[in-house]
Amino acid sequence: DIQMTQSPSSLSASVGDRVTITCRASLNIITYLNWYQQKPGKAPELLIFGASTLHSGVPSRFSGSGSGTDFTLTITTLQPEDFATYYCLQTYGTRTFGQGTKVEIK
Amino acid sequence: QVQLVQSGAEVKEPGASVKVSCKTSGYTFIDYYIHWVRQAPGQGLEWMGWINPKTGATKAAQRFQGSVSLTWDTSISTAYVELHSLRFDDTAMYFCARGSSFDSWGQGTLVSISS
Repeated sequence: DIQMTQSPSSLSASVGDRVTITCRASLNIITYLNWYQQKPGKAPELLIFGASTLHSGVPSRFSGSGSGTDFTLTITTLQPEDFATYYCLQTYGTRTFGQGTKVEIK
Repeated sequence: QVQLVQSGAEVKEPGASVKVSCKTSGYTFIDYYIHWVRQAPGQGLEWMGWINPKTGATKAAQRFQGSVSLTWDTSISTAYVELHSLRFDDTAMYFCARGSSFDSWGQGTLVSISS
């Protein structure tokens, strides 16, 4: 199975900060990489698919980049509603999620 | 609009089975895979498997092979995951999600294993 290593596992940030989360795949997954946001007690929500395509309705402060094995989710100008846990998911083979990154208020 | 509505919370004893449903609406059921994902309390997301209602194919993650059944009923646009021989560590929230992008999710079904 393809392993996804996501980092950091948590981070503290302030409203207005720029936040970067990374995922590394154990082999080349081209751009078969999605990002999700999950708030406590809720189902995850799709943010980005195909490594860099913003899902409908997702604010433009979210962006994704990368290909091959290294991927990045960036949130520019962090908003109060962005404090949540973020997961990457590879869709190249048998699906695997990253371990998650909890974005907390500093 | 696309909706995935899951069945309600369940409490089961160890060794029992449980069947969780995911009723879909707002799109053509057979045109999209349905994936199942579980989340143990305080833990991350774990992919369990998928169904392809159009071809009849299913695939379960290796660690769930033999302990889960993935089925569906096209006539009512509903997918099911059945967990067998439940253990305490099967206590988790179970989600269904649509398509290769997991672009819509059910609200989750909490399955608690307790003696």
